[in-house]
Amino acid sequence: GDSVTQMEGPVTLSEEAFLTINCTYTATGYPSLFWYVQYPGEGLQLLLKATKADDKGSNKGFEATYRKETTSFHLEKGSVQVSDSAVYFCALSDLGGANNLFFGTGTRLTVIP
Amino acid sequence: DAGVIQSPRHEVTEMGQEVTLRCKPISGHNSLFWYRQTMMRGLELLIYFNNNVPIDDSGMPEDRFSAKMPNASFSTLKIQPSEPRDSAVYFCASSFEQFYEQYFGPGTRLTVT
Repeated sequence: GDSVTQMEGPVTLSEEAFLTINCTYTATGYPSLFWYVQYPGEGLQLLLKATKADDKGSNKGFEATYRKETTSFHLEKGSVQVSDSAVYFCALSDLGGANNLFFGTGTRLTVIP
Repeated sequence: DAGVIQSPRHEVTEMGQEVTLRCKPISGHNSLFWYRQTMMRGLELLIYFNNNVPIDDSGMPEDRFSAKMPNASFSTLKIQPSEPRDSAVYFCASSFEQFYEQYFGPGTRLTVT
C-alpha cells in the first residue's frame, strides 16, 4: 500500500545551517508529493508540492525534488532561521492508488540563534 | 477567503459528556477531512467526505465517534460519550478535490477529564 517514511526527529540546528529532512515513499500509482509545515499552536500549512517526476517544489527558501528513481522527496533549505522552527510533514496523494493523503510522522525542527 | 474555520478552539469536558466539534470548509471545496493529532499516534485521518458523502470512515476509533456533513459548508464530529483518551487536537481540512492539497483549520484542542 501507499506510505511515507520520514526522517526521525527531533532536529536541532544553529541559525544559518543547512537543513535536510529525508522523505521516501511507496506508492502503487503516480503520486503527487507534498511538504506541510505546522508552526506551534497552528494547523498544517502546505509548504510546497511536486506532481510528477523531476519536478522541484519551492517556497520560502525550501526546496524538494521529486526523485522517482530513489522514491524520495527530501526537503532542503540552505540557511535556516529561528522562525523555521516547526514540525514538517511529508505527504503523498496517489491518483492511481489510494484516494487520500498519506502523511509521514512529522519531523520537529528547532533552530537556535 | 477566511480559510477553514473550526469551533470551538478549545474544549474542556468531563468524561461521559457529549462533545461536538464544528467545521466550515473553504467555499468551493468539495472534500472535507477530519484528523486527530496526539503525541503518541501523530496525525490520524478519522474520516473524509466528498460532495457531502462519507467516503472512508475506517479511521474512526469506535462507535462513540460520528461525523456528519449535512451541506457543503458545514460538518460536525461528535463524541458521545467522551473519554480521557479522546484528548487530542482535532483538525478539519478541505480540498478542491480529494486528491488535491488540503487546507487545514486551526484545530480544536479537546481535553477530557
